[in-house]
Amino acid sequence: KAGVTQTPRYLIKTRGQQVTLSCSPISGHRSVSWYQQTPGQGLQFLFEYFSETQRNKGNFPGRFSGRQFSNSRSEMNVSTLELGDSALYLCASSPDGWTNTEAFFGQGTRLTVV
Amino acid sequence: DQQVKQNSPSLSVQEGRISILNCDYTNSMFDYFLWYKKYPAEGPTFLISISSIKDKNEDGRFTVFLNKSAKHLSLHIVPSQPGDSAVYFCAASGNNAGNMLTFGGGTRLMVKP
Repeated sequence: KAGVTQTPRYLIKTRGQQVTLSCSPISGHRSVSWYQQTPGQGLQFLFEYFSETQRNKGNFPGRFSGRQFSNSRSEMNVSTLELGDSALYLCASSPDGWTNTEAFFGQGTRLTVV
Repeated sequence: DQQVKQNSPSLSVQEGRISILNCDYTNSMFDYFLWYKKYPAEGPTFLISISSIKDKNEDGRFTVFLNKSAKHLSLHIVPSQPGDSAVYFCAASGNNAGNMLTFGGGTRLMVKP
């Protein structure tokens, strides 16, 4: 079974630009969550999508948004990039959303804002 | 307000000995706990989990202990191997919270040959 795939692996953007990151979950998994990892704040939850609906949202500004498609693939978008958005963005997939279960992570997208 | 804390940023252990990584939480609604291992520039890899209805779960060299009254969990690795050197994160989720995980700050484990 293929794991969680995130594209691209690395990205360099300029302040003020926007960026879209992609995540393909493990086949059959319907829940996709996004996390931001920075040296200062650690791993922080951004949002979770399940069956194309955002179910949970972390404490991030509205510049951070996402969506999920009918095949469970997900994208996250960051608009008006700031230097502080430089981070490793991780996507995690889980089989469903109604029972506690482990989340499987992709390798992440390293975003650098200059 | 950190709901999940790993108070030791680093731990150094000799190969073959036991590694004990600790984690404390404050939110009594958490009922599922997980440990992840992470190498630089990679995503976290799931190691082991435990439900709040249990106090111990074992998988090979890895054992997780949960003390609900103290809101404390620990990961034991026996015997420790150099390949175990990585950053370990504990994470917690609450019932009806979907798959939203709250992570601790991580502990860097170094296993010396």
